[in-house]
Amino acid sequence: QVYLMQSGAEVKKPGDSVNVSCKASGFVFTSWYIHWVRQAPGQGLEWMGIINPSGGVTRNAQKFQGRVTMTSDKSTSTVHMELSSLTIEDTAVYYCARGWRVQVWSRDYFYHMDVWGKGTTVQVSS
Amino acid sequence: DIVMTQSPLSLPVTPGESASISCRSSQSLLHSNGHNYLDWYLQKAGQSPQLLIYLGSTRASGVPDRFSGSGSGTNFTLKISRVEAEDIGVYYCMQALQAPSFGGGTKIEIK
Repeated sequence: QVYLMQSGAEVKKPGDSVNVSCKASGFVFTSWYIHWVRQAPGQGLEWMGIINPSGGVTRNAQKFQGRVTMTSDKSTSTVHMELSSLTIEDTAVYYCARGWRVQVWSRDYFYHMDVWGKGTTVQVSS
Repeated sequence: DIVMTQSPLSLPVTPGESASISCRSSQSLLHSNGHNYLDWYLQKAGQSPQLLIYLGSTRASGVPDRFSGSGSGTNFTLKISRVEAEDIGVYYCMQALQAPSFGGGTKIEIK
């Protein structure tokens, strides 16, 4: 069975960092890219970044540059997303999702997020 | 950055009738390889999003054929030909020509 298992809910204070994990099962971990997408309460979806679990190469949305770190552990088929310097506005559900990476004329395109984790709630409160 | 705009915000539908959602991008999503880099996702209440359509018009595996995607360039449409109760939720378009970005969502609800 193909799924992504995410870590449990977190409660943090402003200025803290949070680490969310996403463990892959049922598919070849290194053959897919893993996205991170978040959703603030009552809001839409926001793409945060992507990691190649095989080589560890990452790309982040400009909004999160310098604040998000994504890593992968091939031995446990797990990717981790750390978000630092948390503010109240980082309160959200954080999803991981596997997706395609297609290279066309030396440029990468990332889409087709077909398997999603159930989400990890991160609440930031003073 | 590419901005995605969806309309309407909310769409009440009667089961069995059709429904259409519009998605517009601030830049063309049509690549010179002929593909439009646009996905559609459905998020049901309390659930994670699920992939419906990719490359503008290709249904994802297991998606019923009552869902269809069309359009090119900057204007796209998701059509549900015969809405069923299980189709209610929020639909999002997402561009993948650059760093992915989502539209604001369209909520489909039963009349």
